[in-house]
Amino acid sequence: DAKTTQPPSMDCAEGRAANLPCNHSTISGNEYVYWYRQIHSQGPQYIIHGLKNNETNEMASLIITEDRKSSTLILPHATLRDTAVYYCIVTAPGTASKLTFGTGTRLQVTL
Amino acid sequence: GAVVSQHPSRVICKSGTSVKIECRSLDFQATTMFWYRQFPKQSLMLMATSNEGSKATYEQGVEKDKFLINHASLTLSTLTVTSAHPEDSSFYICSARPGLAVETQYFGPGTRLLVL
Repeated sequence: DAKTTQPPSMDCAEGRAANLPCNHSTISGNEYVYWYRQIHSQGPQYIIHGLKNNETNEMASLIITEDRKSSTLILPHATLRDTAVYYCIVTAPGTASKLTFGTGTRLQVTL
Repeated sequence: GAVVSQHPSRVICKSGTSVKIECRSLDFQATTMFWYRQFPKQSLMLMATSNEGSKATYEQGVEKDKFLINHASLTLSTLTVTSAHPEDSSFYICSARPGLAVETQYFGPGTRLLVL
């Protein structure tokens, strides 16, 4: 699986968009980008995933650069409940695929 | 989304005893289950992957005789920490997947183990 690099921490004001970057310069052609988050002392929660097109769901948007070497998770209107550690994971789907967590970005949403 | 439960949510035990943690998929059949460990202020570390009816596959550095994993049915996996020591104190999280799609991998709420 390709390695990912994320900033260790970010702050965001409540109501503003939170843009969380992720670098994955060694991503392979069949690997997807997955985003999970972990609220303190809970299990991780799936947010969104994509291959090369931008994706949007009820939780967030995922913007993947054309060369697929980086991506950005966007929470359009961050709330205090979005305070969590956000993990960007790159892996290929299939029976052998495993979610390997890096250090993630600790997002603090403030009033 | 699908629900994965863990029991107990927290456990305190004496050094040298064994502790069993259960992981259940409540509304789907999990062909694959995963066990993770997380130390304070650190990321999740994958310990092992198990398929129903098969022996678990352990990650490098994880002692299979210390962390016994049983995936006896499509809805239940257990992790037994044998002869627990204080350094085994951690947050243990299970995860279950019904098929191949990674995005269908759901996580349990975690079990906090404290070994005295």
